[in-house]
Amino acid sequence: DADVTQTPRNRITKTGKRIMLECSQTKGHDRMYWYRQDPGLGLRLIYYSFDVKDINKGEISDGYSVSRQAQAKFSLSLESAIPNQTALYFCATSDRGRGRVGEQFFGPGTRLTVL
Amino acid sequence: GENVEQHPSTLSVQEGDSAVIKCTYSDSASNYFPWYKQELGKGPQLIIDIRSNVGEKKDQRIAVTLNKTAKHFSLHITETQPEDSAVYFCAASIGTNAGKSTFGDGTTLTVKP
Repeated sequence: DADVTQTPRNRITKTGKRIMLECSQTKGHDRMYWYRQDPGLGLRLIYYSFDVKDINKGEISDGYSVSRQAQAKFSLSLESAIPNQTALYFCATSDRGRGRVGEQFFGPGTRLTVL
Repeated sequence: GENVEQHPSTLSVQEGDSAVIKCTYSDSASNYFPWYKQELGKGPQLIIDIRSNVGEKKDQRIAVTLNKTAKHFSLHITETQPEDSAVYFCAASIGTNAGKSTFGDGTTLTVKP
């Protein structure tokens, strides 16, 4: 969905490096999410934020941190990348209660490789 | 927490046949069940959803059924076409605003022309 953008789209890095993945949205949604996708494991929630002052851990938050800089921006950081963090990362947004309640809108994904 | 199981993991059908993907969930409080389609190189996109106050919903060639008693829901695609080939994810959420969804592991559907 072009309304949710992620940068970079691809990144190769080395073990121990700090990495930041950025997400921006123009949908005006309050809620933003970071997911990780591994082959055969579906989408697993890393962190989510229901508004600028709200940050919550998901099911696999260890080794990750996030920052909600504004309603439209939600960044995911890997403080010290390790090879098993190699995955496809998706940002998503959803509406708090207006419009089609419940649907999540996903960005195009960031493919991260940690060597 | 919620646990969602999805079957099968891969499904291959001939063009024109029907495809069925099934999911079960563990938390009886879940009340919102979306289905997402992920095409190659793209993020998932919602194709249909159902809430716990209805048992079935249909949108053209796709339909979803929900059995709250058994805690399972299914996606049905009729008259499949090659462009239906993709990965499909089910999910379950608690709360009217579905703030946080638990996803199944995905089903890779291949429609052979």
